[in-house]
Amino acid sequence: RKEVEQDPGPFNVPEGATVAFNCTYSNSASQSFFWYRQDCRKEPKLLMSVYSSGNEDGRFTAQLNRASQYISLLIRDSKLSDSATYLCVVKDSNYQLIWGAGTKLIIKP
Amino acid sequence: GAGVSQSPSNKVTEKGKDVELRCDPISGHTALYWYRQSLGQGLEFLIYFQGNSAPDKSGLPSDRFSAERTGGSVSTLTIQRTQQEDSAVYLCASSLQRNTGELFFGEGSRLTVL
Repeated sequence: RKEVEQDPGPFNVPEGATVAFNCTYSNSASQSFFWYRQDCRKEPKLLMSVYSSGNEDGRFTAQLNRASQYISLLIRDSKLSDSATYLCVVKDSNYQLIWGAGTKLIIKP
Repeated sequence: GAGVSQSPSNKVTEKGKDVELRCDPISGHTALYWYRQSLGQGLEFLIYFQGNSAPDKSGLPSDRFSAERTGGSVSTLTIQRTQQEDSAVYLCASSLQRNTGELFFGEGSRLTVL
């Protein structure tokens, strides 16, 4: 079992729709959680950290469920520019960053 | 240019040749990471530096791969006797310190081994 697992997709979603991704992690001692975004043939960039109480940044909402060991990312009112691969990252108790393989999102007009 | 800078952006080499990839991190960032990404795949961790030392080399795929960092700044990843399976994008990232998850990536060095 991979330490961090994501549905690879692709998720094909019409513009304006709401889409949600999940990411599961295996190490219950994991400390911190992040979502990164990677555009095609570009480098990853931090989208948002995930806080225990959940957090929102504009159209993006991140949530953490420690009991079930997953984090989620919700995108509301999706835009064409949201098309990208979304990478889940988990920091373990040794400060190692464990990267998921990413979920590809395609927003269609 | 306050971002992470990598060079070369593209490198085509013949099997068996050695290559050097360079990373210039953001000034003041003590942590530096090298990753490898093959087409359509996730990030593969190679090595991490804290200052000039490399406490975690666990991701280096073979002894043909080595890396160093000097002056707590520039890092070089060297691949000796390149093989076709080494073809990938090599990404460098830096962060202010290790216990942050906010990494700043360079644009990568795309290596093609013929």
